[in-house]
Amino acid sequence: GAGVSQSPSNKVTEKGKDVELRCDPISGHTALYWYRQRLGQGLEFLIYFQGNSAPDKSGLPSDRFSAERTGESVSTLTIQRTQQEDSAVYLCASSLSGASYEQYFGPGTRLTVT
Amino acid sequence: LAKTTQPISMDSYEGQEVNITCSHNNIATNDYITWYQQFPSQGPRFIIQGYKTKVTNEVASLFIPADRKSSTLSLPRVSLSDTAVYYCLVGTPADSGAGSYQLTFGKGTKLSVIP
Repeated sequence: GAGVSQSPSNKVTEKGKDVELRCDPISGHTALYWYRQRLGQGLEFLIYFQGNSAPDKSGLPSDRFSAERTGESVSTLTIQRTQQEDSAVYLCASSLSGASYEQYFGPGTRLTVT
Repeated sequence: LAKTTQPISMDSYEGQEVNITCSHNNIATNDYITWYQQFPSQGPRFIIQGYKTKVTNEVASLFIPADRKSSTLSLPRVSLSDTAVYYCLVGTPADSGAGSYQLTFGKGTKLSVIP
């Protein structure tokens, strides 16, 4: 079956512009996560969605970052007024539930802010 | 969240068994230990998870001593395609009532398999 998909695969934007990244989780997966991975670094947790519960936004680095999820499907991560330090790969993952240890990751969106 | 410590890099020849040890001294009672593998330009992939003793699947084995303050991922007879970064993670699922589930990925261990 289809895995987690993300779009775009690459995004180059100018400093100060807003960007929107999309994630399509595996069908039936109720939990969805966003992570950020800077070059040569580990993954940094950003936000977690589980069903209709309020999302866990504790990892968002600033109020320029926000995310939404429509039911148990598509999620979008929005970064407003992008800065050069926002350049990274943004990874989305989904799992059957929040109790599952096995997360399925998408290929990521490589964001470059010039 | 429990902090993990693992070697930055390891080299191994093809066909050898590779053991990567991770330290997690402040692991909590409800925490499980999970290992992920990441190839360049790809998202991480789940390998194995366990709570205590030994877990084995078709890919790897995970050894966890009784005090659970460390764990060892064992990869049998590695091949060139096992060259990747391996992450050790410790956490508790959100649905357990212990709070939000966050996977804390450190820098991982970069395994290089040499022909």
